[in-house]
Amino acid sequence: DGGITQSPKYLFRKEGQNVTLSCEQNLNHDAMYWYRQDPGQGLRLIYYSQIVNDFQKGDIAEGYSVSREKKESFPLTVTSAQKNPTAFYLCASSNADRAHEQYFGPGTRLTVT
Amino acid sequence: GIQVEQSPPDLILQEGANSTLRCNFSDSVNNLQWFHQNPWGQLINLFYIPSGTKQNGRLSATTVATERYSLLYISSSQTTDSGVYFCAVEKTSYDKVIFGPGTSLSVIP
Repeated sequence: DGGITQSPKYLFRKEGQNVTLSCEQNLNHDAMYWYRQDPGQGLRLIYYSQIVNDFQKGDIAEGYSVSREKKESFPLTVTSAQKNPTAFYLCASSNADRAHEQYFGPGTRLTVT
Repeated sequence: GIQVEQSPPDLILQEGANSTLRCNFSDSVNNLQWFHQNPWGQLINLFYIPSGTKQNGRLSATTVATERYSLLYISSSQTTDSGVYFCAVEKTSYDKVIFGPGTSLSVIP
C-alpha cells in the first residue's frame, strides 16, 4: 500500500530529553513537510524539504532539527531547546511542484512532562 | 504573508442539516485545498479547488478567486462529518502552504 507512516502514535518523554519522530513515505514524493498542531489550533509549518539533502525552515523551526538523507524518510528531532514541545505532530508529502496536494500521515502525539 | 481566515470557528448541526463553511484569504493564490481532520487526527484531502466549483457526493466547494474566498458546502450532514475542516492556500507553486485556523464541526444525532 502506498502511503505515509509515522511512528509511534503516542510518545512520552521527560523534559530535557531530545526525541526523534519518524516519518516514512513510499509515494515517491520529492517534498516532505513537518507540521505542529496545538489543541484547537491550525497547522503550523516547522520544516520542509523539497529534495534529498536539502531542507528549509518553516514558521516555527526553533528547537527542532531535521535531516533528509533518503527520499523516503524525513525524521524530526524535538530538542530540549523547544520550550513547549507537547503537541500533535503531522508529517506530509507531495510532489515538489504540487505542494497543494499534500498527503498526511496519521500523526504522533508527543507529551513531555 | 497571506492571511487565511475561516468562519464560523465552531458549528453544531443536527444530523441531516446543511451547512456552509467559508475561507477568506488576503492575497491572490495559485492553489487552494480543503481538508477534513477526523476526531483521531487524520487529515484527508477533500478538494483541490483554486477556482470554480467541484462536487463529491454530499460535499461541494466553490472558489471565487477574484474575490478571495472559498466555500465548502455539506448537505444532509452525518455524524461521520464531525471534525475540523481546514482550508489551505499557496501563493505560487513551490511556495509554503498556509493553513487557516479551521472550523470545528459537530454533527449530533
